[in-house]
Amino acid sequence: QVQLVQSGAEVKNPGASVKVSCKASGYTFTGYYIHWVRQAPGQGLEWMGWINPNTGGTNSAQKFQGRVTMTRDTSINTAHMELSSLRSDDTAVYYCARADGYCPDYWGQGTLVTVSS
Amino acid sequence: QSALTQPASVSGSPGQSITISCTGTSSDVGSSNLVSWYQQHPGKAPKVMIYEDSKRPSGVSNRFSGSKSGNTASLTISGLQAEDEADYYCFSYAGSGTYVFGTGTKVTVL
Repeated sequence: QVQLVQSGAEVKNPGASVKVSCKASGYTFTGYYIHWVRQAPGQGLEWMGWINPNTGGTNSAQKFQGRVTMTRDTSINTAHMELSSLRSDDTAVYYCARADGYCPDYWGQGTLVTVSS
Repeated sequence: QSALTQPASVSGSPGQSITISCTGTSSDVGSSNLVSWYQQHPGKAPKVMIYEDSKRPSGVSNRFSGSKSGNTASLTISGLQAEDEADYYCFSYAGSGTYVFGTGTKVTVL
């Protein structure tokens, strides 16, 4: 069965970077895009970007351009999302999700990133 | 890219039907048949309920249906049940490889 398992919760200081991992299993990793979505406490879902695991190509929301880096390691079926220059308003649960075409269908369990001094 | 507009809350009694709207622009919702709808219970990951405007994934109840007219997509839940109480989000392709979520709607079963 399709599964996306994300790395554990992180606590970071303002100005630092965080890297969240998303390990895929149960399907051909290079056959589906991976999207990244975040949700601040009590807030709605926010689309961050995607990576094509086959080519490594990426695209991101304008808001995150220059601050987000999405990579993948096809040898271990894992996608990574690194967000730099963290601020307090980056505190959120970060999700990865596999996309079947234009629709994210299977989601990871979420990773809580807390930015606090 | 601005979030798509959804009502903050919608409520209904068990057995009733409710409809959640999702209004965008001709650059996103109105540009193609690529709107999805997600259900999210507290503390859980989102679950896709509708994709490509009106298609239902395997395993999703046929009480959920999607439609679109112009720049507004809609999700209808018929025969409302207690388990339908959750947050719902629309999601649309917005061109140039980008996507956008709706503001989210809290559904309350009275």
